[in-house]
Amino acid sequence: ETGVTQSPTHLIKTRGQQVTLRCSSQSGHNTVSWYQQALGQGPQFIFQYYREEENGRGNFPPRFSGLQFPNYSSELNVNALELDDSALYLCASSLPGDRGDTQYFGPGTRLTVL
Amino acid sequence: AQSVSQHNHHVILSEAASLELGCNYSYGGTVNLFWYVQYPGQHLQLLLKYFSGDPLVKGIKGFEAEFIKSKFSFNLRKPSVQWSDTAEYFCAVNAGTSGTYKYIFGTGTRLKVLA
Repeated sequence: ETGVTQSPTHLIKTRGQQVTLRCSSQSGHNTVSWYQQALGQGPQFIFQYYREEENGRGNFPPRFSGLQFPNYSSELNVNALELDDSALYLCASSLPGDRGDTQYFGPGTRLTVL
Repeated sequence: AQSVSQHNHHVILSEAASLELGCNYSYGGTVNLFWYVQYPGQHLQLLLKYFSGDPLVKGIKGFEAEFIKSKFSFNLRKPSVQWSDTAEYFCAVNAGTSGTYKYIFGTGTRLKVLA
């Protein structure tokens, strides 16, 4: 059991809407990363937050934004949803000082955009 | 741009067969290398990782991987697979420094082991 939880489990939205996905990191982990996993693909890195600051970003447009809170929970916000945003969104946390930065994944939120 | 390539998308093996899954990456700097596994109905979890030292690393459940820097490769191996190894396997790389950090996954290899 990884200890990373995500909510909601499933979500259906329509094109143009906005969505907020939530993640609770494993206890003691101060770094959180978000990934998008389309069907049949590997996880695509969206961004990482460390101590409430964005620490790195993948090739995603600015309408994908995030927040990390002092209790290390985090949010992924996506504005102006597009059909291609339909995917599994994964949150992963990692231990401070972990050499190599192992990611501990949550179960994901399945987002469907109609 | 950094990328990770996994050569086999689907692999079917019989129990006790040997396994090797290929992984190549493109990145010129220092990297950390990973294999993650997703068993049916479970979360992605770490199988093994390399960040320095001995290029032959051992992970859980009898898996190992060898980092060959000159070939930009990190292939996963297991001498004798079991039915319970049926899963999807992802190779991953992380690179960059604070503010430019990235974590890149390959597209995955679905392994089916026949009993």
